[in-house]
Amino acid sequence: DAGVIQSPRHEVTEMGQEVTLRCKPISGHDYLFWYRQTMMRGLELLIYFNNNVPIDDSGMPEDRFSAKMPNASFSTLKIQPSEPRDSAVYFCASSFPRTRGGNYGYTFGSGTRLTVV
Amino acid sequence: AQKVTQAQTEISVVEKEDVTLDCVYETRDTTYYLFWYKQPPSGELVFLIRRNSFDEQNEISGRYSWNFQKSTSSFNFTITASQVVDSAVYFCALSEVEGGTSYDKVIFGPGTSLSVIP
Repeated sequence: DAGVIQSPRHEVTEMGQEVTLRCKPISGHDYLFWYRQTMMRGLELLIYFNNNVPIDDSGMPEDRFSAKMPNASFSTLKIQPSEPRDSAVYFCASSFPRTRGGNYGYTFGSGTRLTVV
Repeated sequence: AQKVTQAQTEISVVEKEDVTLDCVYETRDTTYYLFWYKQPPSGELVFLIRRNSFDEQNEISGRYSWNFQKSTSSFNFTITASQVVDSAVYFCALSEVEGGTSYDKVIFGPGTSLSVIP
């Protein structure tokens, strides 16, 4: 398996523009998570999906952020309009249910480094 | 509410020294999972270990070992004979089981930056 695939790796955009981050989870994983990493706030969970259904979006900072998972193999995180304070590394991760046995955790993608100028 | 504390912000050791990274957690649940992840300078997050709250056996994997103590709510990570390639940020994380579901929300600690000097 190629792992969790995120695109783009880097994104530089101007304030006010729409930004769309993409994620392809590992096939067979039931859960998909979007995290944001900044120096000030560390790793923050934004939203997660179970079987393509959003379960908890309490971490989404504001209405400018939205996430979708139209099918089991694709998810997007959209910011509209973007602001400089949105600059961060955005990670997507996928996982089996925790109750599944074995020593496993999330598998993270390589992240998207977003810079809003 | 669940919380993970990693009091050591940065640690520097000389190669071949042993180093322990501390992790203290807070949870109201009796069933939970603890994790360690590594983030090398390249930026990816790499899963190292998962431990459930009912398994207090220490774990050893090569030069890595983990000490889980429920009495002190700690899940410490030791690297023996450290190497330059161990230089990374290490995150401890906690996941609570809510209502017996497979709810899988993981909360990460702030991380400890480890520098291994040649």
